[in-house]
Amino acid sequence: AQTVTQSQPEMSVQEAETVTLSCTYDTSESDYYLFWYKQPPSRQMILVIRQEAYKQQNATENRFSVNFQKAAKSFSLKISDSQLGDAAMYFCAYRSGNNNDMRFGAGTRLTVKP
Amino acid sequence: KAGVTQTPRYLIKTRGQQVTLSCSPISGHRSVSWYQQTPGQGLQFLFEYFSETQRNKGNFPGRFSGRQFSNSRSEMNVSTLELGDSALYLCASSLQGSKNIQYFGAGTRLSVL
Repeated sequence: AQTVTQSQPEMSVQEAETVTLSCTYDTSESDYYLFWYKQPPSRQMILVIRQEAYKQQNATENRFSVNFQKAAKSFSLKISDSQLGDAAMYFCAYRSGNNNDMRFGAGTRLTVKP
Repeated sequence: KAGVTQTPRYLIKTRGQQVTLSCSPISGHRSVSWYQQTPGQGLQFLFEYFSETQRNKGNFPGRFSGRQFSNSRSEMNVSTLELGDSALYLCASSLQGSKNIQYFGAGTRLSVL
């Protein structure tokens, strides 16, 4: 079974600085997708970034980028120029290419200090 | 385009009762997935519906059931509620297959007393 591990329960970053959130996963599949979702206090899960496993190029969305190491099964999220609005729970998620069953990590609570 | 809408936002029930939660997907989305989020177990997949048929199911007891209507709206039912069913229930919709992004609603917070 696929598992997703986020080893950092909490992280803190100074406003305007850069922070990296870690995620590792375990799978024997070759076709899959990886995601980072953000959950602010409003509870709504918001997609931050998505990576297709077959793509070698790391995904980037404005200040958010990933470091996808397929062989190491690692998928970290880098947030540059951190803003107060980035404070939230961040979840790493895995989804098989065969179904819509998404597996989530335990989450990392990010605090942004002014 | 309206997002995923979940109703109600909050619910309080007592043990032994049953509850029905509703999810209206984004217009045009045919797949609806349900998740349970608790502090202890995190986010866990319940089931997915596509074109009124359950396509995938997580590891939850039979007390948890769902259905999807012809307009893609979905309901989730929990019978014989237990204290441990207290959770945030999230619904997510996507166009159809696993290659599409899932968009989440704001969830229904269920408290079982």
